[in-house]
Amino acid sequence: SYELTQPPSVSVSPGQTASITCSGSKLGDKFASWYHQKPGQSPMLVIYHDNRRPSGIPERFSASNSGNTATLTISGTQAEDEADYYCQAWDSSTWVFGGGTKLTVL
Amino acid sequence: QVRLHQSGPGLVKPSETLSLTCSVSGASVTNYYWTWIRQPPGKGLEWIGYIYYGGNSNYNPSLKSRVTISVDTSTNQFSLKLSSVAAADTALYYCARGVRFSVNLPSYYFDSWGQGSLVTVSS
Repeated sequence: SYELTQPPSVSVSPGQTASITCSGSKLGDKFASWYHQKPGQSPMLVIYHDNRRPSGIPERFSASNSGNTATLTISGTQAEDEADYYCQAWDSSTWVFGGGTKLTVL
Repeated sequence: QVRLHQSGPGLVKPSETLSLTCSVSGASVTNYYWTWIRQPPGKGLEWIGYIYYGGNSNYNPSLKSRVTISVDTSTNQFSLKLSSVAAADTALYYCARGVRFSVNLPSYYFDSWGQGSLVTVSS
């Protein structure tokens, strides 16, 4: 079965740029989506189709996908961006999630 | 705006069947991939399975023998049944709408989620 790997944690200072990676075999040949989940809340879509932002998601969220790695970038990180982030891809008619990355804004 | 509202018991005895329902408003269940996802306490997201109106469904191979997802167009709801539950099935269960988005090649993602239902398996 297809697997996606994320770092367990990433730390960033307020106002700096945070990058969260997601690795999977030939992930660049698929499409990656990203979700954030704040404590006690349901996950929320922040990026779909590799690099598209849903309505209402701030422009500071961007993403790319190439080779074996997809990357979510948060520019000018704010305290409210502290959350768990999950990548997701579609493989063989199944949805696959990465293990999640806890983003801490110090 | 699509809204998904979950209902069902929060406590299930071992070896019994877990049943949850997701009521959909703002969209028809005759389209999209209606999906269940779970999250064990303190852990990540696990895809359980989906149903697409017309009978097309697919399940996580690790749960396939115990899972049934069905859709009811008369009530605009879809449901999850997970049989022979054990403590390892204790989790926060989410329903979600899966979308197929196509620009040259299709991608698939979840654009709407239910509020989550904590289901504990215990005698």
